[in-house]
Amino acid sequence: DVKVTQSSRYLVKRTGEKVFLECVQDMDHENMFWYRQDPGLGLRLIYFSYDVKMKEKGDIPEGYSVSREKKERFSLILESASTNQTSMYLCASSRQGAGYEQYFGPGTRLTVT
Amino acid sequence: AQSVTQPDIHITVSEGASLELRCNYSYGATPYLFWYVQSPGQGLQLLLKYFSGDTLVQGIKGFEAEFKRSQSSFNLRKPSVHWSDAAEYFCAVGAGTYKYIFGTGTRLKVLA
Repeated sequence: DVKVTQSSRYLVKRTGEKVFLECVQDMDHENMFWYRQDPGLGLRLIYFSYDVKMKEKGDIPEGYSVSREKKERFSLILESASTNQTSMYLCASSRQGAGYEQYFGPGTRLTVT
Repeated sequence: AQSVTQPDIHITVSEGASLELRCNYSYGATPYLFWYVQSPGQGLQLLLKYFSGDTLVQGIKGFEAEFKRSQSSFNLRKPSVHWSDAAEYFCAVGAGTYKYIFGTGTRLKVLA
């Protein structure tokens, strides 16, 4: 059974802290994605990666960075967390090529106080 | 501009009733279309997808969707809803090798 796992289901951090969210997939997928999900806004792409050490900005990259040192692992970093980054964060992976579906992790609900 | 519209934010149906969730897209080329379901506190799970061929697509959990190019629609249907179908449903377009455009979702409530 294919699987995408995320390091935490719930996380509470203070304003200004550096936050790491980790995602691991076991499907040997080339593509990995980070989204944030907010009520009424759907899913918004933060960053994606199509290969190890390769990354591209999505629609809302400000305040975030990513790292992909191994094919199966994609990390999202909040350099200095702010309250407006309180959200649900979803990681996904997919095969390379147009038309392949994404597989999603269970999400991390991050609260920044 | 590329976009996906789910016009219904909330839908309530009685258990056993039929269901149709609407999805309209704007995309210049032949789209790859997906429906995902998200149960509370969970990630998204693929229900079905359309690439080409037969415009009526069967998915998991008894769902189906019909691609209508002339209407730029990809509506999701189920003939008889179960209480466990209560969830949020997302329509998405595969708009290139790396790009997926999601609708804002439709939250389904099922009355016993």
